[in-house]
Amino acid sequence: EAQVTQNPRYLITVTGKKLTVTCSQNMNHEYMSWYRQDPGLGLRQIYYSMNVEVTDKGDVPEGYKVSRKEKRNFPLILESPSPNQTSLYFCASSFGGGPSNEKLFFGSGTQLSVL
Amino acid sequence: GDSVTQMEGPVTLSEEAFLTINCTYTATGYPSLFWYVQYPGEGLQLLLKATKADDKGSNKGFEATYRKETTSFHLEKGSVQVSDSAVYFCALRDRSGSARQLTFGSGTQLTVLP
Repeated sequence: EAQVTQNPRYLITVTGKKLTVTCSQNMNHEYMSWYRQDPGLGLRQIYYSMNVEVTDKGDVPEGYKVSRKEKRNFPLILESPSPNQTSLYFCASSFGGGPSNEKLFFGSGTQLSVL
Repeated sequence: GDSVTQMEGPVTLSEEAFLTINCTYTATGYPSLFWYVQYPGEGLQLLLKATKADDKGSNKGFEATYRKETTSFHLEKGSVQVSDSAVYFCALRDRSGSARQLTFGSGTQLTVLP
């Protein structure tokens, strides 16, 4: 089954404790992206990747890191989480960043709480 | 920059009522337009899309028409069901060369009561 898999689904942590949210897709997609969803703000892009070893900042990259060492995986790293990073996070992928009518495939989300 | 404005929710309707969720956009180029739906506890799924002016996207009884003159892409359904309860996001992708893909609206929560 074609899917984007995120883990964990729920995560509670404390300020400053490094964490990683994993994302994996089995569709051989070139493009992958991370979003955060906050009430009243919709989805805002954190980072995206056009292909292996190619990453770039989205609209809200501060406090986050990403890597793309393999095509299928795109982990989101919070080196020193803070309470303002409490949010619902989504990973998404698509075949490429080219045609404007390509659809994104989303994971089920990771609810992160930073205390 | 690009932006999408959706009508604020939440929207509560009775089953079989008519639904309209308004969406307007601003874009520097000539965007493609999308509606995504998020069911409780799930990620977003593409509901429908339109890539040029006057195109009508449709799926599962939902429709939206790309109106370039009013920069709008309103979502409609003639008769909603309880199973349509979800959050609906309007989105655009500008074809001006950016690789950032979608710009989303803030989402509209729809609740349909039996």
